[in-house]
Amino acid sequence: QKEVEQDPGPLSVPEGAIVSLNCTYSNSAFQYFMWYRQYSRKGPELLMYTYSSGNKEDGRFTAQVDKSSKYISLFIRDSQPSDSATYLCATNDYKLSFGAGTTVTVRA
Amino acid sequence: EAQVTQNPRYLITVTGKKLTVTCSQNMNHEYMSWYRQDPGLGLRQIYYSMNVEVTDKGDVPEGYKVSRKEKRNFPLILESPSPNQTSLYFCASSLSDRTNEKLFFGSGTQLSVL
Repeated sequence: QKEVEQDPGPLSVPEGAIVSLNCTYSNSAFQYFMWYRQYSRKGPELLMYTYSSGNKEDGRFTAQVDKSSKYISLFIRDSQPSDSATYLCATNDYKLSFGAGTTVTVRA
Repeated sequence: EAQVTQNPRYLITVTGKKLTVTCSQNMNHEYMSWYRQDPGLGLRQIYYSMNVEVTDKGDVPEGYKVSRKEKRNFPLILESPSPNQTSLYFCASSLSDRTNEKLFFGSGTQLSVL
C-alpha cells in the first residue's frame, strides 16, 4: 500500500469554480502535511503547509487535515486560469512521501 | 536569485552510455536530494545527501550514483542507463534534513534512454 494516495484526476473546471483536491495517507504518525504546486515544465513549489489536524487558509487556498480519517484536502476558491497546474500532497514521518499528483485545468 | 539549477533540461541517450545530470544550489542548503517523477507514481526519491560527503539511498536507488564533494553541487550519475530509467528527474534542496523543511526544486531534466 502506498503511503499517500491521491485522487488522480484530471480535473477540468470553469473559472470561478471551487476546486477540491484530496489525499489519504496510511501512517497515523504523520504530522506535517504539505501541498506542492507544479506548473508545466517546472519543478514543484511549496504552496501550503499544515501541522496536525485542522484548517489553514491562505488567500483563496484552504488546506484541511482530518487525522481521525487520515484525509487531507486542498480547496481553491474562485479558481483562476493561473491555478492550472498539478497539485501534489505530501506528508512525512522520517521521510517525505508524495502523492502522485492531480492535474487541474481552469477554463477561462 | 535563490535557485536550484539542473542541467541539461532534456537528454536523449542510448542504453549503456554513461551520463551525468548536474545540480547546483545557491542557498547554502545542507540537504540535497534527487527524485524521479513518473505518471501515476508521483515523486520517488533516488538518493539524498545531508551534507558534504554524506549520502544515502532513497526509495529507488538501483542504477544510480551520486556524490557530494561540495555543498552546492549534487550530480546524479547513470553509469549504464537502461530504458526503464526514462523519466523526469528533479533535484531538490532544503536548509536541513528535517522532513517538514520546505524543499526547493530545480526545473527538471527529461531523460529518454533508447
